[in-house]
Amino acid sequence: AQKVTQAQTEISVVEKEDVTLDCVYETRDTTYYLFWYKQPPSGELVFLIRRNSFDEQNEISGRYSWNFQKSTSSFNFTITASQVVDSAVYFCALRLIQGAQKLVFGQGTRLTINP
Amino acid sequence: GAGVSQTPSNKVTEKGKYVELRCDPISGHTALYWYRQSLGQGPEFLIYFQGTGAADDSGLPNDRFFAVRPEGSVSTLKIQRTERGDSAVYLCASSLQGMTGELFFGEGSRLTVL
Repeated sequence: AQKVTQAQTEISVVEKEDVTLDCVYETRDTTYYLFWYKQPPSGELVFLIRRNSFDEQNEISGRYSWNFQKSTSSFNFTITASQVVDSAVYFCALRLIQGAQKLVFGQGTRLTINP
Repeated sequence: GAGVSQTPSNKVTEKGKYVELRCDPISGHTALYWYRQSLGQGPEFLIYFQGTGAADDSGLPNDRFFAVRPEGSVSTLKIQRTERGDSAVYLCASSLQGMTGELFFGEGSRLTVL
């Protein structure tokens, strides 16, 4: 079975600070996708990124960056120069490439950016 | 519409009643998922449809929960004899067949069982 752990339940920082959200996953499969989703107060989950297990290259998109390390089964998410609009609940998720098609989510990290 | 649409957005019912929640996926998306999200928790998988058939219903908690997708588009999640523990936000998502993993989510239906 697959499992995703987000140990940080809540994080609160002041605007413009950098913040990293941790994600650790467990799976016996060697081929899988990893995801980050953002859930603003409206409730709709917004897709941020997908990485596959073949590609450990880190990725940067504007103020967002992701660090994927298979050796530690981690897929951490960093927001640089945080803004109030980044406040939301963030979920890490895993999905197998073969077999079960469901996304398995972590518990989420509630991020609050204070002005 | 352009996105996944779920109705009703809010439903309050009494314990023991029957409830139906509807999901209208993105046009052309053959895969459809139902998730349940309790307060402060991550979404929990319930069922996955590929076309009209339930490809994986391993997440349905018990036989009070049932879902259909008769024409391969709109899906209805049905809950019989509701219990207070069924209170949650029920999320629907869709994706393209063969798509490499991205799910598009609706805003959810918040169910409150009194």
